[in-house]
Amino acid sequence: QLQLQESGPGLVKPSETLSLTCTVSGDSISSTNPYSWGWVRQPPGKGLEWIATVSYSAFNYYNPSLKSRLTVSIDASKNQFSLSLTSVTAADTAVYYCAAPDSFSNSIHYWGQGTLVTVSA
Amino acid sequence: QSALTQPASVSGSPGQSTIISCTGSRSDIGTYNFVSWYQQHPGKAPRLLIYDVYSRPSGISNRFSGSKSGNTASLTISGLQSEDEADYYCSSRTTTSAHVVFGGGTTLTVL
Repeated sequence: QLQLQESGPGLVKPSETLSLTCTVSGDSISSTNPYSWGWVRQPPGKGLEWIATVSYSAFNYYNPSLKSRLTVSIDASKNQFSLSLTSVTAADTAVYYCAAPDSFSNSIHYWGQGTLVTVSA
Repeated sequence: QSALTQPASVSGSPGQSTIISCTGSRSDIGTYNFVSWYQQHPGKAPRLLIYDVYSRPSGISNRFSGSKSGNTASLTISGLQSEDEADYYCSSRTTTSAHVVFGGGTTLTVL
């Protein structure tokens, strides 16, 4: 049973970089399980937006609307993966969820609890 | 604007059934049998209800069922209960560079 936990600053200034980390427990992030690793966000009062899905050794998929500002990386030694979003604006204010999507279907069986990141001066 | 279109809201009485539709295109629902449905209560993380169009994860009630016809997927909730009041989202793999798309979400009210 996978468990995911987000961590990172809850407040980021405009034009700066939003950085979040997701710690995975219950399995190795580099194991040959059916899951990949990803991020989904939800602006206050709005719907879900897929951000990225990456695997340990096979693929990286990024939302085209965020791709130029986005990096998702995996640190297998710490069993963590991270999100970095540069040049943030108020439109990036959202609850950010880390997730474990199925590698083929992208169905998300496991979610973190979510962390609110507010972009404000 | 979301790539998948859902009704903003649906409602039903306890014990009744309701259907939530999710309309996409040949680039997503029409191509892949990779439609998922999620339930989200206020302040909580989404929970997977249906994956691969029809399949239910362990622990999900058989009151929830999924189907697909052409470019449209549907979630049927039978025997409505008060705890079913929540937001519901569909998602699908897509052939476009977006890889994955979500619907805009549907709020279910149990009257």
